[in-house]
Amino acid sequence: NAGVTQTPKFRILKIGQSMTLQCTQDMNHNYMYWYRQDPGMGLKLIYYSVGAGITDKGEVPNGYNVSRSTTEDFPLRLELAAPSQTSVYFCASSSIGVQQLNSGNTIYFGEGSWLTVV
Amino acid sequence: AQSVTQLDSQVPVFEEAPVELRCNYSSSVSVYLFWYVQYPNQGLQLLLKYLSGSTLVKGINGFEAEFNKSQTSFHLRKPSVHISDTAEYFCAVSESWANNLFFGTGTRLTVIP
Repeated sequence: NAGVTQTPKFRILKIGQSMTLQCTQDMNHNYMYWYRQDPGMGLKLIYYSVGAGITDKGEVPNGYNVSRSTTEDFPLRLELAAPSQTSVYFCASSSIGVQQLNSGNTIYFGEGSWLTVV
Repeated sequence: AQSVTQLDSQVPVFEEAPVELRCNYSSSVSVYLFWYVQYPNQGLQLLLKYLSGSTLVKGINGFEAEFNKSQTSFHLRKPSVHISDTAEYFCAVSESWANNLFFGTGTRLTVIP
């Protein structure tokens, strides 16, 4: 039962460095999401994808890039890390969009990636 | 955009006592409502959701929530908590046409033996 897998789980970056958070799901879900969770705050959507080759911005996209070349993978790229990007990042997936959810569908979350930029 | 308010950041409660975690949202239009639980160092797990129909929704682990449209609330309840219920609980809302979930800031439930 792999579900949604994120790597790395913990990472410390220096200001200006770049890195990629990896996310993969084995449920053949079309929809994938990246959220960030700041201390004492709720999750905010960074980017999402409705299928391979299609991505769109969420609430807080600045400083990030994504790609969706396959159904399984949805990596999140930080090009020039800044202290404001210190956060916990969650990848998620669902078989259909939130607006189409019914009793048999939900959004599945990964375990999170703790990123600190110093 | 939606906003979700969880007024209580921390709720301590004794084992076997009842608990209510409060959630209010801003929009009066058609919404879907969710409660997620996050155990330490784990991802979010769905407890229950309201999409339509009966306003009283039952979820896993004995939790239930009631949708109150007039008060724009979706409070989570459990009649008797266990030590294993200690976790962070997040309320989330989605407008029925949107591809986003708006999350509250979370409530840390601590069950005291």
